Amino acid sequence: EDQVTQSPEALRLQEGESSSLNCSYTVSGLRGLFWYRQDPGKGPEFLFTLYSAGEEKEKERLKATLTKKESFLHITAPKPEDSATYLCAVQAGYGGATNKLIFGTGTLLAVQP
Amino acid sequence: DSGVTQTPKHLITATGQRVTLRCSPRSGDLSVYWYQQSLDQGLQFLIQYYNGEERAKGNILERFSAQQFPDLHSELNLSSLELGDSALYFCASSLTGGAGYGYTFGSGTRLTVV
Repeated sequence: EDQVTQSPEALRLQEGESSSLNCSYTVSGLRGLFWYRQDPGKGPEFLFTLYSAGEEKEKERLKATLTKKESFLHITAPKPEDSATYLCAVQAGYGGATNKLIFGTGTLLAVQP
Repeated sequence: DSGVTQTPKHLITATGQRVTLRCSPRSGDLSVYWYQQSLDQGLQFLIQYYNGEERAKGNILERFSAQQFPDLHSELNLSSLELGDSALYFCASSLTGGAGYGYTFGSGTRLTVV
């Protein structure tokens, strides 16, 4: 069964303290790995899509990387406004019949000033 | 504003009742997805429609049903509601129904069953 596991469940950082969030996955035929940011009471907001091992994407203080078994979201010198839940999701399967996403339960990041 | 519109934003109803959640996809998107988000289970895929036809089904209960209309808006119907159905319900849309594309979420409908 396709599965996505995120760690840690929660992370508290001081402003400027860099760290990484982990997303490990077990899927049959990875078509894409997605990172979303979700603020309380709001819908997930798209950050990155990664398609193959070795691929990297960057946006401001965030950098996402992908290996054959996991993805990392690196946060460099975070600011309080980076506080949110970060969700990882995979799109899997062969045949292209659907592009449903399977989500992990997320990492709740709190950045303190 | 993501371009995906969900109504209502909040809904409070009693057990046993039926409700309808509405979603208008982003302009040009043909595919609509419904997800349920509860505190203990995260985002769970319910169902996908592409250009009016059901494309994939996830963990959707028999008490729940959905459809996508010719103008591409979608409705999720929840009946015989139970306390455990209380959750955030998100709609998302994408241009295609095929793999390789992420999608855009709406801001959700918070359903509270009392």
